[in-house]
Amino acid sequence: GQQLNQSPQSMFIQEGEDVSMNCTSSSIFNTWLWYKQDPGEGPVLLIALYKAGELTSNGRLTAQFGITRKDSFLNISASIPSDVGIYFCAGHAGTASKLTFGTGTRLQVTL
Amino acid sequence: DTEVTQTPKHLVMGMTNKKSLKCEQHMGHRAMYWYKQKAKKPPELMFVYSYEKLSINESVPSRFSPECPNSSLLNLHLHALQPEDSALYLCASRRVGGRDTQYFGPGTRLTVL
Repeated sequence: GQQLNQSPQSMFIQEGEDVSMNCTSSSIFNTWLWYKQDPGEGPVLLIALYKAGELTSNGRLTAQFGITRKDSFLNISASIPSDVGIYFCAGHAGTASKLTFGTGTRLQVTL
Repeated sequence: DTEVTQTPKHLVMGMTNKKSLKCEQHMGHRAMYWYKQKAKKPPELMFVYSYEKLSINESVPSRFSPECPNSSLLNLHLHALQPEDSALYLCASRRVGGRDTQYFGPGTRLTVL
């Protein structure tokens, strides 16, 4: 099925550093969602975005819905070891019934 | 409360066994989903139920049989699975209408021997 282009594929950073990842699509999206997944667990919703240009924060996390409606980014400030995991973007391009997922960004944090 | 629960957490089954995965949510969501996820890959949609009726089947083999007994419960019946069906099976739910956001359960890790 269709997938979003998510980058980077993986990141190795030091504790305390800021992180930025993004997703792009060739088509317009109506909703952007960012999830974090720990090994063997289900994805946990971090931030949901519903309007072009919307900027939303959740603690150290900030995400934006691109004004072209074809991209979104997620920033994590002052990373800590528990930020380790895989981050997926996802969105609705048409029908709200189906989510299209990004390929994931694997984040590793070193002390 | 945005909790979706799944049982069992882990399941090991032989290729001739019949087993079922269960999912439950009490958020009043009227859309429920089954996904299959392989390691290091995003979730792959299998089935969608909307108002307790099957609305999407992503060409899933008949050895997987979904069931939605009521608006809070979703089952996935498994029969004659293959080793390549081993994966993390995720349930999700969504409130229909308004701001549509999917919430996932913790998953069932399935191993087919």
